[in-house]
Amino acid sequence: AQTVTQSQPEMSVQEAETVTLSCTYDTSESDYYLFWYKQPPSRQMILVIRQEAYKQQNATENRFSVNFQKAAKSFSLKISDSQLGDAAMYFCAYRTSNTGNQFYFGTGTSLTVIP
Amino acid sequence: EPEVTQTPSHQVTQMGQEVILRCVPISNHLYFYWYRQILGQKVEFLVSFYNNEISEKSEIFDDQFSVERPDGSNFTLKIRSTKLEDSAMYFCASSRTSGGKETQYFGPGTRLLVL
Repeated sequence: AQTVTQSQPEMSVQEAETVTLSCTYDTSESDYYLFWYKQPPSRQMILVIRQEAYKQQNATENRFSVNFQKAAKSFSLKISDSQLGDAAMYFCAYRTSNTGNQFYFGTGTSLTVIP
Repeated sequence: EPEVTQTPSHQVTQMGQEVILRCVPISNHLYFYWYRQILGQKVEFLVSFYNNEISEKSEIFDDQFSVERPDGSNFTLKIRSTKLEDSAMYFCASSRTSGGKETQYFGPGTRLLVL
């Protein structure tokens, strides 16, 4: 069974600093996709970044990057130059290419950005 | 940018009552989903819907749940006889295509409280 674990319920970071949110997952599949979603307070979840498991290169989107360690089944999110608008709940999610459409989510990490 | 919308934002109901949660997916999307998140727990997949029928459902989606696309824009989740444990945040999502790296676009959620 696929499971996603986010071991940090809450994190905080000083504005302009860098923070890393951790995510691990368990799967027996070799082909899958990993996502980080951001949910600001009272707003919808939006996609931050995604990674295809067959790609060795870590995905990057502006200030957001991932450290994908396939052997360790780890998929951490690094936010550089943190901004006040980065404050949100961050969800890690997994989807295989074989089991249709459903995402498997972690429990989320609440990120606070300190001015 | 188009967004998924959900109504109501909050719903309080008595145990045993029926509730209908409404969603308006993004207009050119063909795949629709419901997820729920019980407080403090993971976001869990309930059901996916395509071409006017359920394409995938989880163990949670038992006979008390049903989904419908009553017209060209709305997508609803009905809970026939609510239980205390149905209290959760319910998220609707939609996507253009299915599977792989295709992201799903989420609504802001409906918080359901069953008393």
